[in-house]
Amino acid sequence: EIVMTQSPATLSVSPGERATLSCRASQSLSSNLAWYRQKPGQPPSLLIYGASTRATGIPARFSGSGSGTEFTLTISSLQSEDFEVYYCQQYDNWPLTFGGGTKLEIK
Amino acid sequence: EVQLLESGGGLVRPGGSLRLSCAASGFTFSSYAMSWVRQAPGKGLEWVADISGNDFSTHYADSVNGRFTISRDNSKDTLYLQMNSLRAEDTALYYCAKRTGNYGGNFDYWGQGTLVTVSS
Repeated sequence: EIVMTQSPATLSVSPGERATLSCRASQSLSSNLAWYRQKPGQPPSLLIYGASTRATGIPARFSGSGSGTEFTLTISSLQSEDFEVYYCQQYDNWPLTFGGGTKLEIK
Repeated sequence: EVQLLESGGGLVRPGGSLRLSCAASGFTFSSYAMSWVRQAPGKGLEWVADISGNDFSTHYADSVNGRFTISRDNSKDTLYLQMNSLRAEDTALYYCAKRTGNYGGNFDYWGQGTLVTVSS
């Protein structure tokens, strides 16, 4: 099983600042890495797939990067609606696995 | 518009069974793999099971293998999850999620979820 480790668990950032979220895989992946966001009481929604491709309707302030075992989600200028939980997920191998999540909170 | 509507959740005793359904619309259901993903209260996401679009090949998480069965009826655009021998640790909100390919891909659409509570 590929273990996905996200860091930090909680990230405190001020609106307008940049946030960098990390996701590490226990073994090398191809580009089959996705990022999702989730607000309380709502299902997850897709942000990034293929490690770096924004999903339809996702603003340009969101960017994904990385390869191998190290992946990053960057939010260039945080808006109020961005303060939620973010998950990475690998779909390279069975079983499909998610990271434990990073909660982005207002500083 | 893609819609996924789960149903069938509820309160069940340990050792009991439950069958979840997910009614899909807005896309060609048989062309896409589908998964069940669960989220225990206050916890993260855990993938449970997956089924391919038209040859019905299945995969399961170790935590549910042998107890849960995923299936689909492409004539009814519906996904199912038969859950047997339920345990307290199966308590979670169960989402159905569409994948972007017939055999794989990321999740691009999610339902609102149905809550399963296993308790005596």
